[in-house]
Amino acid sequence: AQTVTQSQPEMSVQEAETVTLSCTYDTSESDYYLFWYKQPPSRQMILVIRQEAYKQQNATENRFSVNFQKAAKSFSLKISDSQLGDAAMYFCALTSGSRLTFGEGTQLTVNP
Amino acid sequence: GAVVSQHPSRVICKSGTSVKIECRSLDFQATTMFWYRQFPKQSLMLMATSNEGSKATYEQGVEKDKFLINHASLTLSTLTVTSAHPEDSSFYICSARDQLAGASYEQYFGPGTRLTVT
Repeated sequence: AQTVTQSQPEMSVQEAETVTLSCTYDTSESDYYLFWYKQPPSRQMILVIRQEAYKQQNATENRFSVNFQKAAKSFSLKISDSQLGDAAMYFCALTSGSRLTFGEGTQLTVNP
Repeated sequence: GAVVSQHPSRVICKSGTSVKIECRSLDFQATTMFWYRQFPKQSLMLMATSNEGSKATYEQGVEKDKFLINHASLTLSTLTVTSAHPEDSSFYICSARDQLAGASYEQYFGPGTRLTVT
């Protein structure tokens, strides 16, 4: 069985500052993918960033980057230069086949 | 690219009636589609996985006779909530995998459907 844990139900950050969202996971598979999804108030799920487990290099997408620690089964998301539009629920997710396993989510507030 | 639509976006129905929600992949073919349910301020809960041309696989605890899923083509899956009751009120989200995506396993999500049963 796969599990994903997000231990921060809520986080806040000042506009233009940096924030890190935590995620740990567990899987017995050697080949898997990790994702961070953003769900704004519209509730549309938006892919933020993706990491292949076999890649050692941390994924980066503009202001978003991850710290992937495979041995520790940790996959944190760093948002740099936070913007008001980053305010949303963020979900960490794991898949090694067809199904996605989601964490409980972290509600991010961006303060102006 | 990789757009998934859902229809309707909102629906209100009376208790005891049935309601159908459509999920379409607009610019790719999806051999596998997924249906999720989400309660306010909670995570997505997978209800079932549907593969084109075969029966859906339901998660434990999900009533397959209540939540009928049909995946008749590579671009369309439907979820029918039969004999709906107020406790079925929720936000339903579908997602689809691009069959050409290879091993990335990425899912593309629809915008969701808010169902209210009165």
